[in-house]
Amino acid sequence: LAKTTQPISMDSYEGQEVNITCSHNNIATNDYITWYQQFPSQGPRFIIQGYKTKVTNEVASLFIPADRKSSTLSLPRVSLSDTAVYYCLVGGAPNYGGATNKLIFGTGTLLAVQP
Amino acid sequence: DTEVTQTPKHLVMGMTNKKSLKCEQHMGHRAMYWYKQKAKKPPELMFVYSYEKLSINESVPSRFSPECPNSSLLNLHLHALQPEDSALYLCASSQVTGGANTGELFFGEGSRLTVL
Repeated sequence: LAKTTQPISMDSYEGQEVNITCSHNNIATNDYITWYQQFPSQGPRFIIQGYKTKVTNEVASLFIPADRKSSTLSLPRVSLSDTAVYYCLVGGAPNYGGATNKLIFGTGTLLAVQP
Repeated sequence: DTEVTQTPKHLVMGMTNKKSLKCEQHMGHRAMYWYKQKAKKPPELMFVYSYEKLSINESVPSRFSPECPNSSLLNLHLHALQPEDSALYLCASSQVTGGANTGELFFGEGSRLTVL
C-alpha cells in the first residue's frame, strides 16, 4: 500500500508560484498520482492527475520524475482563495472484475496564502 | 451532471437512535466510497463498493452498516453510535476502468454528524 509524505504546512504570498512535493517511495506500477484540494467543511476537490512526466491543466501542473517516487504539484500565481489543504493520493479505483485498490489520504499540506 | 449529492447535510442523533446517511450520483460511476473525516485530519477510508458489491471494509465497527441498493445510490446506516463517531462523513464515486487504475474521486459536500 503506497504511503505518501507531504510537508504539513506552507506559506506563500499572492501572485507567487507554489510547489508542493509529495513522496511516495513504494508506488506500484499501475498506480496513478492524484492531487486534491479541500476547503474547511467541504469535500475534497480533484485538481490534477498523472502517471509520469508532466501534466498541465487550467489550474495546476504536476511534475513526476522518471522513478515516480515523488511528485510536485505546482500552482501558478496563487491567490487568497487558494488557501486550503492539499492532499496527494497514490493508487487507483477498483478494477473491473472486482480487484480493488485503496485510496488513502496522507496528512495533507495546509497552504496559507497571504496578501 | 458531475455532482455527488449527500443528505442530510447535518444530523444530530442520540446514542440509541437509528439513522441513515444517503449519497447519490448520476455520472455512471460504478465505484462508491464512504470516508470519515475528523477535524483537522485527512479523510479516512471506511468502505468501498465496486459494481454494487462491498469490496473494501476498513475494519469499521458494525454500528456502521453500508448499503448500495443500485449503481447510483449509497447509504450508510447508523445505529448505537458513540460520541467519538461525530465527524464529517464524505461520500465519493469514481469510474471503474479495466486495466490501468485511476484515482479521480468525485466527492459530495459531506454530512456533518453529531452524536450526543
